Amino acid sequence: EADIYQTPRYLVIGTGKKITLECSQTMGHDKMYWYQQDPGMELHLIHYSYGVNSTEKGDLSSESTVSRIRTEHFPLTLESARPSHTSQYLCASSASGVSYNEQFFGPGTRLTVL
Amino acid sequence: SQKIEQNSEALNIQEGKTATLTCNYTNYSPAYLQWYRQDPGRGPVFLLLIRENEKEKRKERLKVTFDTTLKQSLFHITASQPADSATYLCALLMDSSYKLIFGSGTRLLVRP
Repeated sequence: EADIYQTPRYLVIGTGKKITLECSQTMGHDKMYWYQQDPGMELHLIHYSYGVNSTEKGDLSSESTVSRIRTEHFPLTLESARPSHTSQYLCASSASGVSYNEQFFGPGTRLTVL
Repeated sequence: SQKIEQNSEALNIQEGKTATLTCNYTNYSPAYLQWYRQDPGRGPVFLLLIRENEKEKRKERLKVTFDTTLKQSLFHITASQPADSATYLCALLMDSSYKLIFGSGTRLLVRP
């Protein structure tokens, strides 16, 4: 099992609420990623970070924001959740200096917005 | 932009047989092609990768082939077991990028 953790595992909230999905890893990896995945569909990269104070938007447009103040922590925030945000959110990390970029994934957060 | 195609229909096979999954891509060949396993409600787990200049890679009961002419990778599980039942994702790592491009995966069901 990879040492990467996500909380909560499941979250059901009402429209308009602010939420933060937590992601932490203990492997000392510089690179971290957030993906969004709907059932039976491919993973879409929504945010990534190459290190502390570095964040970039991914290929799929997202209304969420991220921060990277510490190497091990990469939280994702939705200021005002909407039903269209209902999805599975997966956090991943990878080591620097490894050319093939094997990624280690957390268990995911299943978000439902009513 | 790069697109990946994996068979969306589930592959249903008998225990002990060899499972073969296909990954096709468009446009440019990736520097690396990776295969991941994903169980329901879990994050993907890395299985193995193959480099652009390699034809075949093996790891225990797993074998991956890579044909840059056909723009295709085949993923084989020999002597399949019910515990191999999962969704298998293909992912491309393009040269000079740390971003992976994932396919939607193929679900494998191994009947006892």
